[in-house]
Amino acid sequence: GESVGLHLPTLSVQEGDNSIINCAYSNSASDYFIWYKQESGKGPQFIIDIRSNMDKRQGQRVTVLLNKTVKHLSLQIAATQPGDSAVYFCAENRRISGGYQKVTFGTGTKLQVIP
Amino acid sequence: GAVVSQHPSRVICKSGTSVKIECRSLDFQATTMFWYRQFPKQSLMLMATSNEGSKATYEQGVEKDKFLINHASLTLSTLTVTSAHPEDSSFYICSAQRPIVSQGRQLYGYTFGSGTRLTVV
Repeated sequence: GESVGLHLPTLSVQEGDNSIINCAYSNSASDYFIWYKQESGKGPQFIIDIRSNMDKRQGQRVTVLLNKTVKHLSLQIAATQPGDSAVYFCAENRRISGGYQKVTFGTGTKLQVIP
Repeated sequence: GAVVSQHPSRVICKSGTSVKIECRSLDFQATTMFWYRQFPKQSLMLMATSNEGSKATYEQGVEKDKFLINHASLTLSTLTVTSAHPEDSSFYICSAQRPIVSQGRQLYGYTFGSGTRLTVV
């Protein structure tokens, strides 16, 4: 597999503060990036996405920033709430041979919200 | 919309037996589905890409004969763990791809199943 099997780093944030979760992606050919939230024992859920021709995209309480120069992606969560506690993964999408798409995941970050 | 159903959610099997995991897209057709494996406190590791009507593409290091993938229809892909051993115990997750329009372009959306916790004893 292509994901690195490292243990998850943890980010602890006070409720109400802003959270910033970072991700380094590996392939400069990736053209589309997605952030997912995964709660314990469940599959990942879509949060927000961004195309490679953009450097910022905003959603409700979330903002994704893309820096292609250093292959870095970040997810900003405003006014973090206890329900935001989960593991967050970035994913990169690229086209491979045969016209197929391939999605691979970063190592993930565990967000702990302190009430 | 865009719901993926994965079954079973949990399974315990004896070493040496085979286990089949199903992944169904309920309200859309998925020409491509992905199978991931996740160990505790780790990221999702792509095992294989399943394309409807053709052979799956396996990632390097994933045994084709051990993890059999069948994508016989546009709404169903199955992963069979053959001759399971305790080291195969893990969380297996499928993802179904669908075309979407986002940011003014056709892109792809990925909907994940809820995962299957496999324990081999």
